[in-house]
Amino acid sequence: DIQMTQSPSSLSASVGDRVTITCRASQSISSYLNWYHQKPGKAPKLLIYAASSLQSGVPSRFSGSGSGTDFTLTISSLQPEDFATYYCQQSYTTGTFGQGTKVEI
Amino acid sequence: EVQLVESGGGVVQPGGSLRLSCAASGFTFSSYWMTWVRQAPGKGLEWVANIKQDGSEKYYVDSVKGRFTISRDNAKNSLYLQMNSLSVEDTAVYYCARAGSGTMIGKNDYWGQGTLVTVSS
Repeated sequence: DIQMTQSPSSLSASVGDRVTITCRASQSISSYLNWYHQKPGKAPKLLIYAASSLQSGVPSRFSGSGSGTDFTLTISSLQPEDFATYYCQQSYTTGTFGQGTKVEI
Repeated sequence: EVQLVESGGGVVQPGGSLRLSCAASGFTFSSYWMTWVRQAPGKGLEWVANIKQDGSEKYYVDSVKGRFTISRDNAKNSLYLQMNSLSVEDTAVYYCARAGSGTMIGKNDYWGQGTLVTVSS
């Protein structure tokens, strides 16, 4: 089974900061990597799919990169509504999620 | 507008069974893979199962294999998760989500609001 490892597990940031979250797969998953964020009590929301494609309606401050085993989600200028938990997910086989990264003030 | 509405959650004793349903609308249900994802209280997301458009392929996380069964009824635009031999570790909010429309499972772009399953004596 493919394992997904995110880092860091949590981070503190301020409005306007550039934030980077990394995700590593235990084997190559090509570009079959998605990013979501989730706010407390809400369903996850898709941000990035296929490693670097921005989901419709998602602000352009979100971007993704990487292929193979190493991937990155970048928020160019953190906004108040971006404080949430972020998850990567591989869709190469099944749909394993990373353990999550909590972005807090 | 794409909508996914889960139902069927509740409190069940260890060893019991429960059937979750997910009613889909606003898209051609039979054209998409579908997914169940769960989230234990205070924990992260866990992929549970996927089912192909025609139900011919099904995949499960190891921890539920042999106990859970994913199925769908394309005529009723509905997704199901039959859960047997439930344990306290299955306590979670269960989400259904739309997946890809091609041969690959793909992204989960729409999600339901979730239904809570509590396994407790």
